[in-house]
Amino acid sequence: AQSVSQHNHHVILSEAASLELGCNYSYGGTVNLFWYVQYPGQHLQLLLKYFSGDPLVKGIKGFEAEFIKSKFSFNLRKPSVQWSDTAEYFCAVSPGDDKIIFGKGTRLHILP
Amino acid sequence: DAGITQSPRYKITETGRQVTLMCHQTWSHSYMFWYRQDLGHGLRLIYYSAAADITDKGEVPDGYVVSRSKTENFPLTLESATRSQTSVYFCASSNTGNTEAFFGQGTRLTVV
Repeated sequence: AQSVSQHNHHVILSEAASLELGCNYSYGGTVNLFWYVQYPGQHLQLLLKYFSGDPLVKGIKGFEAEFIKSKFSFNLRKPSVQWSDTAEYFCAVSPGDDKIIFGKGTRLHILP
Repeated sequence: DAGITQSPRYKITETGRQVTLMCHQTWSHSYMFWYRQDLGHGLRLIYYSAAADITDKGEVPDGYVVSRSKTENFPLTLESATRSQTSVYFCASSNTGNTEAFFGQGTRLTVV
């Protein structure tokens, strides 16, 4: 079945550690890719997006993601996390032109 | 104020009752979406709409009904609520179906 897979359900890091969250999708053809963040008690906000061009995209708050077409992956990275990055992170894929499908999310907990 | 608003923010209802969750956006976005968020499942698409009077099923449409008589409104109705429909429901809108979606604050629905 077509899907969006996030490998880590719960990640715990100390402040200043580096972060990489994995995301793979199984849709063929051209896709648009997104990472959203949901801070505790809030709605989802867009971190970054990839439509075309440079496969390394930069988003807000120091986050970046790399699209690797051959691996159907769109991993999220941040060189040095902060306590305020504690949130749930969702990878999302738009496999066509009419909807966006989300992964199950990764809960990130940063220890101060 | 411009944006996307959901009402009510919190709702408790009894099994078997009909309940309608409201969603209103002021951007004149063509696309609107309903997702439910459950622990361990992430966000799952219930229904989406490409324009007024055009709706389509998402990943988990059973037990839900939608309508879109006006571009700005996209109500979600649970015709006969069940405990398995206890969830947080998010409405979203986007200019096209595959670009950034903007989310409402969510409705926390409890079915007892």
